[in-house]
Amino acid sequence: GAVVSQHPSWVICKSGTSVKIECRSLDFQATTMFWYRQFPKQSLMLMATSNEGSKATYEQGVEKDKFLINHASLTLSTLTVTSAHPEDSSFYICSARVSGEQFFGPGTRLTVL
Amino acid sequence: GENVEQHPSTLSVQEGDSAVIKCTYSDSASNYFPWYKQELGKRPQLIIDIRSNVGEKKDQRIAVTLNKTAKHFSLHITETQPEDSAVYFCAASRESGANSKLTFGKGITLSVRP
Repeated sequence: GAVVSQHPSWVICKSGTSVKIECRSLDFQATTMFWYRQFPKQSLMLMATSNEGSKATYEQGVEKDKFLINHASLTLSTLTVTSAHPEDSSFYICSARVSGEQFFGPGTRLTVL
Repeated sequence: GENVEQHPSTLSVQEGDSAVIKCTYSDSASNYFPWYKQELGKRPQLIIDIRSNVGEKKDQRIAVTLNKTAKHFSLHITETQPEDSAVYFCAASRESGANSKLTFGKGITLSVRP
């Protein structure tokens, strides 16, 4: 199957700093990638759809100025959490669809102190 | 938009027994229904999926059934094993292309007692 990687796998930062998470499709090109957030013992909530070469589409209630998404190439999408606060601590997972099946990255555990 | 309900939220079974997890969806245009298994701290892994042109699909100990009229679909695991213990998510989407979105249920924690 298709392989999606994420970097870093975990990050700890101070409140007020920004954190960038990378999502890469390793063996395929992805014009569209999805970013999810998952709080402990909860489901995956779609934050935004990342589109190569154009603006991301954000879900209702997700602040586009706080969660900056850049999809500059067919194999890389980045999510930047700006001015992170403790309530942003979560598991962030990206995914891409190939031939109808959605492949997930391994996730990034963000802890904001 | 789509709304996916999943129940129960927890399920405990004895090793060797069967487990059934049920989901309902609201969007009659949804036509793709995957099931994911997620272990603690790991990514969701697709275990089986079904499209609306079939009513049942089976892969070894795992099967999924779909009732489009009632808008519900179920995951059946037979001969459960301790390694089946995990969180299971159902999801639904309109499979209209690479940018079609998945809506997930809340997940169920399955515990298989040795």
